[in-house]
Amino acid sequence: GIQVEQSPPDLILQEGANSTLRCNFSDSVNNLQWFHQNPWGQLINLFYIPSGTKQNGRLSATTVATERYSLLYISSSQTTDSGVYFCAVRNNYGQNFVFGPGTRLSVLP
Amino acid sequence: DSGVTQTPKHLITATGQRVTLRCSPRSGDLSVYWYQQSLDQGLQFLIQYYNGEERAKGNILERFSAQQFPDLHSELNLSSLELGDSALYFCASSVQSNTEAFFGQGTRLTVV
Repeated sequence: GIQVEQSPPDLILQEGANSTLRCNFSDSVNNLQWFHQNPWGQLINLFYIPSGTKQNGRLSATTVATERYSLLYISSSQTTDSGVYFCAVRNNYGQNFVFGPGTRLSVLP
Repeated sequence: DSGVTQTPKHLITATGQRVTLRCSPRSGDLSVYWYQQSLDQGLQFLIQYYNGEERAKGNILERFSAQQFPDLHSELNLSSLELGDSALYFCASSVQSNTEAFFGQGTRLTVV
């Protein structure tokens, strides 16, 4: 099945810093989403981005489907950005989302 | 609020017992997915339904079963519970299999 890797596994930032999270996947996909799991366990949709670039406030994402990777940019990080960021993909043959292992982000005040 | 409703939010039960987790998808969504997230683990796909029919199966134990009803809500049944079944169980829904999926708040199951 499709493999999903995320890097870095852990990231510690000072408030106000910028960061880039990466998601690599092993097959062509027809669906890619970024999620933020907050410290209370909630999974929050950030982006639905099988290709192209999107922006939402301080967050933006880019997926280069032909090169099988996606990037999530967080600018001017805040303590509320802390949590785990997951990338999840679905390929043209699979019916379920495959999640990456996540990037654990800690933003310090 | 994602529009996906899961009940109960928390559940504590003893080993050997059986529980039922419920999921109401977003209005108009035909696909329902179940995921398990054990402590400090990633999300493991269990099973998917589309419009009442099973579409895909992941590493779901034989002690676990699910179904999607005509009104599109879904239930995940966990039986002969073991300590290792303690986890956060998520339900997600989407219109089609390749469209954006939205997750519920999860049911935190603790087996004691």
